[in-house]
Amino acid sequence: DAKTTQPPSMDCAEGRAANLPCNHSTISGNEYVYWYRQIHSQGPQYIIHGLKNNETNEMASLIITEDRKSSTLILPHATLRDTAVYYCIVRVGGGNQGGKLIFGQGTELSVKP
Amino acid sequence: GAVVSQHPSRVICKSGTSVKIECRSLDFQATTMFWYRQFPKKSLMLMATSNEGSKATYEQGVEKDKFLINHASLTLSTLTVTSAHPEDSSFYICSAREQSGEQFFGPGTRLTVL
Repeated sequence: DAKTTQPPSMDCAEGRAANLPCNHSTISGNEYVYWYRQIHSQGPQYIIHGLKNNETNEMASLIITEDRKSSTLILPHATLRDTAVYYCIVRVGGGNQGGKLIFGQGTELSVKP
Repeated sequence: GAVVSQHPSRVICKSGTSVKIECRSLDFQATTMFWYRQFPKKSLMLMATSNEGSKATYEQGVEKDKFLINHASLTLSTLTVTSAHPEDSSFYICSAREQSGEQFFGPGTRLTVL
């Protein structure tokens, strides 16, 4: 079973920041948090991942709480093309190189003009 | 990022036939490949994990004789849906992981069984 819970849907205005929350209260010490997104009828696309420190790349920022029980994905300036289902995933077993990605239900983000 | 391809992108077959789906990592060697299925408006469900040259490990509830997985090389894995029935109609997605641990997904294969 997935170790994450996310709100089923969120709206965001174009150009504004989208903040997507995720709870993973049963995460273990060496389990990483991954974020992927899936645009309709395509394969998931990697966004970002982290263990305990906050991370940033060209797509997004990942903020992980100190107790690691929750995290937030931030898309700083959402565009219409960011409309997708966003999956927060705890990589189970194997740290950052092994294990498997078990998908939860995700958050359907709608970016509106 | 690295590229994973799937072939075919969509297939329609008659009930009782077998269908093979190929998954290739195009510019890296995949130490491990994964197969997922996804029903409409649902999340991805992991079916099995395969390592090159060894038998696949299936998730609970997934019939290994129904969904045959072959991982013949570090760049190719195949999923064969044997004696397909309408309830096997789904979106099948493969994923390939390279040595660094990064994992990339293919574009998916839409299977429709009539």
